[in-house]
Amino acid sequence: DIQMTQSPPTLSASVGDRVTITCRASQSISSWLAWYQQKPGKAPKLLIYKASILESGVPSRFSGSGSGTEFTLTISSLQPDDFATYYCQQYDIYSSFGQGTKLEIK
Amino acid sequence: EVQLVESGGDLVQPGRSLRLSCVASGFAFDDFAVHWVRQAPGKGLEWVSGISFNSGVIGFADSVKGRFTISRDNAKNSLYLQMNDLRAEDMALYYCAKSSRQWLDAPFDYWGQGTLVTVAS
Repeated sequence: DIQMTQSPPTLSASVGDRVTITCRASQSISSWLAWYQQKPGKAPKLLIYKASILESGVPSRFSGSGSGTEFTLTISSLQPDDFATYYCQQYDIYSSFGQGTKLEIK
Repeated sequence: EVQLVESGGDLVQPGRSLRLSCVASGFAFDDFAVHWVRQAPGKGLEWVSGISFNSGVIGFADSVKGRFTISRDNAKNSLYLQMNDLRAEDMALYYCAKSSRQWLDAPFDYWGQGTLVTVAS
């Protein structure tokens, strides 16, 4: 199984901040990585796929980068609606998720 | 509008079985892979199982391999998860999720709202 490790587990930030979340895979997954946003009591929402492609309707302040084993999700200027939990997912071999990063208001 | 509606969640004793269902609408169900993903209370997402559009490719997480089976009925736009020998660690909200492709190697672009499985004596 491919293990996905996210950091940090929790991130405190303010509206307008630029934040970055990191995801590492236990083996190379090329660019077969997605990012999801989940709010309390809601299903996850796809933000980015193939490491850097923005899903339709997702604001351009979200961006993704990386390949192989290291990936990042960046939010360029945090908005109030962005405080949520973020998960990375590999879909190279079946699927697996990172443990999540909770983005909190500072 | 794409919709995925799960059902079948219940309170069940350890060692017993349960079958979850997911009915899809708003897209060509027989043209996409579908998956089950679970989330234990207060925890992260865990991929459970996936099945390709034609049932030709099936995968399971190691944690459920040998106990869970996945199937689909394209004529009924339905996905199923048969869960046997349930354990306390299987207790979670189970989501049905649509793949963006026919095969398992694709992100999940639509999710249901989940059905809750509680395992307790």
